Amino acid sequence: GESVGLHLPTLSVQEGDNSIINCAYSNSASDYFIWYKQESGKGPQFIIDIRSNMDKRQGQRVTVLLNKTVKHLSLQIAATQPGDSAVYFCAENTRKDAGGTSYGKLTFGQGTILTVHP
Amino acid sequence: GAGVSQSPSNKVTEKGKDVELRCDPISGHTALYWYRQSLGQGLEFLIYFQGNSAPDKSGLPSDRFSAERTGGSVSTLTIQRTQQEDSAVYLCASSLVGGRSNQPQHFGDGTRLSIL
Repeated sequence: GESVGLHLPTLSVQEGDNSIINCAYSNSASDYFIWYKQESGKGPQFIIDIRSNMDKRQGQRVTVLLNKTVKHLSLQIAATQPGDSAVYFCAENTRKDAGGTSYGKLTFGQGTILTVHP
Repeated sequence: GAGVSQSPSNKVTEKGKDVELRCDPISGHTALYWYRQSLGQGLEFLIYFQGNSAPDKSGLPSDRFSAERTGGSVSTLTIQRTQQEDSAVYLCASSLVGGRSNQPQHFGDGTRLSIL
């Protein structure tokens, strides 16, 4: 899961295992969520997004689950590969008003380091 | 390439100097964002452009920081009288639209700024 501070959570898995990365968000007015993957020396790479009117969305080898009741987001990676090793960030976009207009900015979690061992 | 392009990729400068960082967004993307990432940290929002206007500049840490966008495309982030605490990776992102219609933000690889 996510934590605040300099020490990022870590997850180590064996190649071929499924990985689950968790994220807690705090703003109940957030209505759009994104998972990013960041490799060393690179910018964050978009993986998958989900809107608050959904609780599950699937992509290629990835699934995002959203539980608004407990303000929890998770990213599941199936058949994890060494190339999946990276830092994973969740990000939220917060609804600005009742009309649905959102702030432009994303608020990012601190990240989780995923290491996949061959 | 079709992605967000940032330059320079690395910048080393002395404390007190001014720096300019450039971002070329994905063609056709109307929304542009600047973030800052310190070592081992998440991303910190700086400013958001919709077209050439900046409806949200709440993340700029001080009046030494400014940004502009021209022609609805290229953006420049300027830091005046740099301080050592400005050392970070400065990331730019763009999205098809901002505000009401949530669209994913796509990032460049950043400018790594080091203040000596």
